[in-house]
Amino acid sequence: KNQVEQSPQSLIILEGKNCTLQCNYTVSPFSNLRWYKQDTGRGPVSLTIMTFSENTKSNGRYTATLDADTKQSSLHITASQLSDSASYICVVRSGGSYIPTFGRGTSLIVHP
Amino acid sequence: KAGVTQTPRYLIKTRGQQVTLSCSPISGHRSVSWYQQTPGQGLQFLFEYFSETQRNKGNFPGRFSGRQFSNSRSEMNVSTLELGDSALYLCASSLSGGAETQYFGPGTRLLVL
Repeated sequence: KNQVEQSPQSLIILEGKNCTLQCNYTVSPFSNLRWYKQDTGRGPVSLTIMTFSENTKSNGRYTATLDADTKQSSLHITASQLSDSASYICVVRSGGSYIPTFGRGTSLIVHP
Repeated sequence: KAGVTQTPRYLIKTRGQQVTLSCSPISGHRSVSWYQQTPGQGLQFLFEYFSETQRNKGNFPGRFSGRQFSNSRSEMNVSTLELGDSALYLCASSLSGGAETQYFGPGTRLLVL
């Protein structure tokens, strides 16, 4: 069964600090992995997408890594801001059908 | 360019009733996907439509159905509502689906009493 596990479930950090969120998956065959940011009361917004051959992808202060051998990904947030407070969701799409499997998300709270 | 719009934004129904939710994709987008989001299960894929045809379907009972019109607008219907159907229903559109970036609407929050 395809699964995506995220950790930690929740995280509280101080403004300006860095943090790293983890995503492990068992989806097969693999097509791509995305990280989404979902603000409270809004739909998710794509941050990064990574395919099998990509190891690192950056989008401003967000940097995602992918290790396709161990089926692990991480999202690193640098110099956090209050606006980074949100849920971060890891999504893996199956090859061929592109059906997505979602992680349950990491809830990040950034305190001033 | 206008984003994905969903109507209504909030809905309260009672068990046994049926409900229809609407989604208008970004202009030019032909793929529309529907998702259910609950605190317990997170986001789950319901189905995807492309050019008025259901292309993929998630693991949900037949009470959940959808359709897409020639202008790419989509509706999803849930019949014989259960308490567990209370959730945020999200719609997302992309040009042609697959691995493309999807753009999500704000969702319809459904409460079943």
